[in-house]
This record gives sequence, C-alpha cells and structure tokens, in this order.
Amino acid sequence: ETGVTQTPRHLVMGMTNKKSLKCEQHLGHNAMYWYKQSAKKPLELMFVYSLEERVENNSVPSRFSPECPNSSHLFLHLHTLQPEDSALYLCASSQDIVNSPLHFGNGTRLTVT
Amino acid sequence: TQLLEQSPQFLSIQEGENLTVYCNSSSVFSSLQWYRQEPGEGPVLLVTVVTGGEVKKLKRLTFQFGDARKDSSLHITAAQPGDTGLYLCAGAGGTDSWGKLQFGAGTQVVVTP
Repeated sequence: ETGVTQTPRHLVMGMTNKKSLKCEQHLGHNAMYWYKQSAKKPLELMFVYSLEERVENNSVPSRFSPECPNSSHLFLHLHTLQPEDSALYLCASSQDIVNSPLHFGNGTRLTVT
Repeated sequence: TQLLEQSPQFLSIQEGENLTVYCNSSSVFSSLQWYRQEPGEGPVLLVTVVTGGEVKKLKRLTFQFGDARKDSSLHITAAQPGDTGLYLCAGAGGTDSWGKLQFGAGTQVVVTP
C-alpha cells in the first residue's frame, strides 16, 4: 500500500450534491492536511489536523467540512459547491506540523457542474 | 502573507540541455523544500535546504539556498524526458508561525526527446 491514498481519483458533482473525499495514510504520521490546487496558482492550504485535532482552518467556506476520525484517516465533506470549487484536492501527511516535509496523495480531480 | 515567486512559469527544452528555475521571496525562511509533481500525481519531495548558501546535489539536480535564506534555485544538467513535471518550492518557518509551508505557483518544465 502506498504512503498516502486518496479516493476517488475523479469526481463530477452538481451544485446541489453532497459527496465526500477520503484520504488514508500508512506512514504513522501525526499531521494531515487538505490542499486545493488550481492551475497556475500556489497550493492553498485548507485544513490541518495534528493528532486528530484541527489546528488550522484557513478561511475556508463552510461548504467544505473536514473530519479526522483518527490519525490515519481524513475526510473532506462537500455540499452545495460552486463551479469555482473545481480543482485538484490534495491530501498530505507529515511526521509533525513544524517544518516536516509533506507526503502527498495523488489527489482527487473535482469538477462541479 | 509571504509570497514565493517562481520563475519562469513555463520552460520547454530539448533533451540534453541545461535549465535553471528560481524561487524568490522578500521573506526569510528557516528552510526551503523543492517538490516535483508529475501529471496525475501528487507532489514528491526532492530536497530540503536549511543553511544559507547551502548547495545540495541529487544526481543531475543541483539545489542552492541563498545566503540570506530568501531565495533558492534548481539547476538541472543534461535534462531528460523523465525530468518533465511541475517544480514547486515551499518555504517553512517564516514569520507566519508554527512552520506552515508557503508554496510558490510552480514552474512547468517540459523536456522533449
């Protein structure tokens, strides 16, 4: 099993749908992250969890709702999204939240129609 | 907000040529990381530089951290098609607290046979 696994790889949803993105890490790391990647823009940090506690919520709209049930799993619940939310959503983990390198999953390509 | 600017945005070269990409900021970082992201995958860490003036080599890739720890460069010698990807720099430990990584927008490198 690879280090950080994300499902699904691709997702198309309407603006009224509810869906969830899943991330699982097999590295024994203590921190997990959600990033949004849009073309030609820097990676945008959305949420950070350290030891299952949320330590960062980077002014993300409430239509994105994270959940971290344990240190190995991270979810991003989506509802009533907008077309501008279409992007690649990357999950990452690190040993801890201070200056540790990130291990990324391969992302979920989200399209909102 | 600390800004990491990467240049050029896009670079297309022939196999065997050399290239350099740059990462610049007005802020000081305690360390800087370089990642490469291939199509359909998440970013993968290449190197972390920590000391001002530090030079690290990874096969044909040479990474340099500026003396003032505000900028970095990545030089690839005799580029190969396998070097194709999006190169991202990320600074850590700036004034933004707890070592949160600040990413640049990336340089897209295409190496054609």
